[in-house]
Amino acid sequence: ETVLTQSPGTLSLSPGDRATLSCRASQTVSGSNLAWYQQKPGQAPRLLIYATSRRATGVPDRFAGSRSETDFTLTISRLEPEDFVVYYCQQYDNSLITFGQGTRLEIK
Amino acid sequence: QLRLQESGPGLVKPSETLSLTCTVSGGSISTGSYYWGWIRQPPGKGLEWIGNIYYSGSTHYNPSLKGRVTISVDTSKNHFSLKLTSVTAADTAVYYCANPTGVATVFAFDMWGQGTMVTVSS
Repeated sequence: ETVLTQSPGTLSLSPGDRATLSCRASQTVSGSNLAWYQQKPGQAPRLLIYATSRRATGVPDRFAGSRSETDFTLTISRLEPEDFVVYYCQQYDNSLITFGQGTRLEIK
Repeated sequence: QLRLQESGPGLVKPSETLSLTCTVSGGSISTGSYYWGWIRQPPGKGLEWIGNIYYSGSTHYNPSLKGRVTISVDTSKNHFSLKLTSVTAADTAVYYCANPTGVATVFAFDMWGQGTMVTVSS
């Protein structure tokens, strides 16, 4: 089973700042198989990024995904007030799916 | 456009079986997705994948659930179901159904139901 470790657990920033969220995989993950979700309180998760770097429909271009080997990154270039919620990474490997434990983005 | 809606009891007694249904509207469950999945989220915690059922009928489950899970499809009712046996308080969570809607997003869930809260308590 591929374990995804997200860091930091909580990130304190201000609106307008740049956010960098990390997701490290315990073993090789295909770039096609890594996604990022945003979850607002009381709502279902929303797909932001799939296949490492492709934005889902309607996702603003301030959200970007990238990869360096087993390290995946979600970057939010200019934080808006509505971005201060929780983010999860997810991988699909051999028909098994795992999620990272989440990063909470809070207003500093 | 496909829409998903979970339904089922909000309260289940310990040791009993949790049963939920996800109704698919706006399309056919037979052709609308490569697979259909269940994910849960305990209060205040992160997301846990439960399992998927594929268009072929095959299923894959989270190994941590140790054989307690069954996912099935009823094409006549356009829904898929989750059964989780021998529940304990640790199974208390919001349960979501979800699916990928296209080839490009096949390894991710881009359509989600609103979720349904299930509490395990006597």
